[in-house]
Amino acid sequence: EIVMTQSPATLSVSPGERATLSCRASQSVNNNLAWYQQKPGQAPRLLIYGASTRATGIPARFSGSGSGTEFTLSVSSLQSEDFAVYYCQHYNNLPLTFGGGTKVEIK
Amino acid sequence: QVQLQESGPGLVTPSQTLSLTCTVSGGSISNDNYFWSWIRQHPGKGLEWIAYIYYNGNTYYNPSLKSRLTISVDTSKNQFSLTLNSVTAADTAIYYCAREVKQAAGSDAFDIWGQGTMVTVSS
Repeated sequence: EIVMTQSPATLSVSPGERATLSCRASQSVNNNLAWYQQKPGQAPRLLIYGASTRATGIPARFSGSGSGTEFTLSVSSLQSEDFAVYYCQHYNNLPLTFGGGTKVEIK
Repeated sequence: QVQLQESGPGLVTPSQTLSLTCTVSGGSISNDNYFWSWIRQHPGKGLEWIAYIYYNGNTYYNPSLKSRLTISVDTSKNQFSLTLNSVTAADTAIYYCAREVKQAAGSDAFDIWGQGTMVTVSS
């Protein structure tokens, strides 16, 4: 099983600032990596797949990069609706696994 | 627009069986471009993928739960279901069903999720 590790666990950012979240895989997942956003009481929402492709309807301020074992999700200018928990997930092989999440909170 | 909706009891007695159903609307579960998955989230914790099923009945279970788990599909009702045996308090979680895009090499991301259903295991 591939272990996904996200850092930091919590990120405090002011509205309008840039947020950078990291995800590391215990072995290469190529570019088979997705990012999700989850707000309290809601299901996760797909943001990024293929490590860097935005899902339908996702604003351009969200961008993903990386391949192999190191990945990054960036939010260029945080809006109020972006404060949430973000998860990475690999789909390179089975079983599929998620990272532990990064909570982006208002500074 | 495809939507998924979980249904099932919110309370299950320890050692008994947890059964949930996911109803797919706005699209066909027999679409061969997708897998249909169950994912759970323990209270205040991260996400755990449980299993997926394909419309033809092919399945893959997370090894951590495989011995207690069965998933099935009913294409006539556009539903898929999860059965988890011998539950304990550790199975208390929000259970989500989700659609997983199928690519030539296997899995892809979960593009549509149900709203989730909270299941508590308690006597």
